[in-house]
Order: sequence, then C-alpha cells, then structure tokens
Amino acid sequence: GEDVEQSLFLSVREGDSSVINCTYTDSSSTYLYWYKQEPGAGLQLLTYIFSNMDMKQDQRLTVLLNKKDKHLSLRIADTQTGDSAIYFCAESGAGNNRKLIWGLGTSLAVNP
Amino acid sequence: DGGITQSPKYLFRKEGQNVTLSCEQNLNHDAMYWYRQDPGQGLRLIYYSQIVNDFQKGDIAEGYSVSREKKESFPLTVTSAQKNPTAFYLCASSIQAGRSYNEQFFGPGTRLTVL
Repeated sequence: GEDVEQSLFLSVREGDSSVINCTYTDSSSTYLYWYKQEPGAGLQLLTYIFSNMDMKQDQRLTVLLNKKDKHLSLRIADTQTGDSAIYFCAESGAGNNRKLIWGLGTSLAVNP
Repeated sequence: DGGITQSPKYLFRKEGQNVTLSCEQNLNHDAMYWYRQDPGQGLRLIYYSQIVNDFQKGDIAEGYSVSREKKESFPLTVTSAQKNPTAFYLCASSIQAGRSYNEQFFGPGTRLTVL
C-alpha cells in the first residue's frame, strides 16, 4: 500500500542549514506537501511541490523532488530557534478521495 | 477571519464516559477530517466527510462516531468502546476531496485525557 517514511529526529545548530528527508511509495502522487507543527498546536502548510517539478524555492525553504527515487527533501537555510517543530511530509494518495498519506514526522531541534 | 476552531483545547473525562469534540469551519470547505495524534505515531485518520450528510471511516474508526448535519460542523464522539482514547485530536478541512491539490487546513487541536 501507500507509505511515506521520514527519519524521526534531526538536531542542528542555529544558523546552519537543516535538511529533512522523506521517501514515498505511490508513483501516482500528484502533489507532495510539507507541514509544520509547533508544540501543542495544529499543523500548518509550509510548502508543496507538484510532481512534474524538480525543485521549488520559497524564501528560506527549498524543496527537492527526485521522482525516480521517490525522494523528497526540505532544506531550511539559516535555521533559527523558531524553526524547532515537527515537520510532516505528505503525499496526495490515489483514488477518488485523494486522502493525504502522512509520514510520522521529523522532530527538528535547533540548538543555540 | 476564516479558519477552523476546535473546542475545548483540553478535555478530561472519566473512563467509560462518551465525550464529543467540536470542530467548526467558516472556510466554506466541503471536506472535513478527524485525525488522532499519539507521540511517535504521526497522524492517523479516524473519519472524513466529503459532503454534508455523508462520511467515511478512516484507518482507526473503531470506538468513534461522527455526524455531518451542517457544512460548517463535524463533531467527533469518542465512545466508551474506544480502548485507549487519551490522545491529541486534530480536525482539518479542505476545499473538496478528490481534487489533485488537496491542501488541508488544521484546527488547533483538542487534548483529551481519560482518567
């Protein structure tokens, strides 16, 4: 079945770049998403990429998509303490309802 | 100001009691979703609704029930049949299920603790 995998933890120093990785199995995915969840809060869409794109840049965020390897990454440049959160990768699943298939989330810790 | 509201933020209940979590949206979205979040387990879909008066089971529907009588509202009842109800519950909505671009908007969540 459809599956999305992410590493669970990442720790970086303030000012460094963070790279969060995700792999997925559904080759029919049209959109892939990155969501951010701050402690005790709901999720917020950070960015997304359409499956016919290789890269998307949005200020400090860069999304890279390798369709052949079904690998998605999120790079955060100049990581700040306010970036500490859980980051979820999600893909739009197949079928009529296009439910989102979620990864387990990567907890990013930014150390001063 | 458009968005999704969930109430209450924290809820405590005794074991064996049913409890209803509220979710309201004023985004005019057709589709609504309920997720459960446990530490280290990501988001698991409980129920979703694509249109008023219709809803489908998600991956972990046992012990839960929903209704969708109004477009704006999608309450979730956690029944006494749910074996381990203590969790963080998230409600979401999207313009329409079935679209290839399916951005979901989330409420702030309700943390349910069963004592």
